[in-house]
Amino acid sequence: GAVVSQHPSRVICKSGTSVKIECRSLDFQATTMFWYRQFPKKSLMLMATSNEGSKATYEQGVEKDKFLINHASLTLSTLTVTSAHPEDSSFYICSATGSSSDEQFFGPGTRLTVL
Amino acid sequence: GQQLNQSPQSMFIQEGEDVSMNCTSSSIFNTWLWYKQDPGEGPVLLIALYKAGELTSNGRLTAQFGITRKDSFLNISASIPSDVGIYFCAGVGRSGATNKLIFGTGTLLAVQP
Repeated sequence: GAVVSQHPSRVICKSGTSVKIECRSLDFQATTMFWYRQFPKKSLMLMATSNEGSKATYEQGVEKDKFLINHASLTLSTLTVTSAHPEDSSFYICSATGSSSDEQFFGPGTRLTVL
Repeated sequence: GQQLNQSPQSMFIQEGEDVSMNCTSSSIFNTWLWYKQDPGEGPVLLIALYKAGELTSNGRLTAQFGITRKDSFLNISASIPSDVGIYFCAGVGRSGATNKLIFGTGTLLAVQP
């Protein structure tokens, strides 16, 4: 149980385009979802926290207009990187918690490469 | 953002050896977690610690929650090749009604068969 998936697993895009990443909880209802960014050989840094049906809370230094987060249902959250630039290339990981526990279950990550 | 400091940064050991890594923070945490991340994957929870001084085991893994609540260590006994990966500690902080994870800098473990 407690499986989280992400799609796509890898994406390559041109600079200036927008990219959408999906995060799904497959076998539980995710009341809260988290989005992290991880640069090569670095740690996971929390970008934002989203609760179903409400606006995401962004960490300091994360541009909310550049990283659009939508958590429209209890099983799906999306992260859209708008007007992507090469410096946005990174590994994006989501996690989700259900109502019965605070444990975060992590997705497998999405590798974004912006050319 | 805030990060927890892990040491060592990397370790290269022979199969069968025991491994020890630690994590320190300038802040107090009431919960400490240890994760393992394989290349190109998300982190997987190994051990959770909820009480200062607590010593918890999960198979060959043992972790302790420091008395000061500002540190934790993870031991792996009799290492095997599949132990290869990056190990992260994480402190659990409270932000409103939500628990947030503050991750450590990571320890890369390489095991020579």
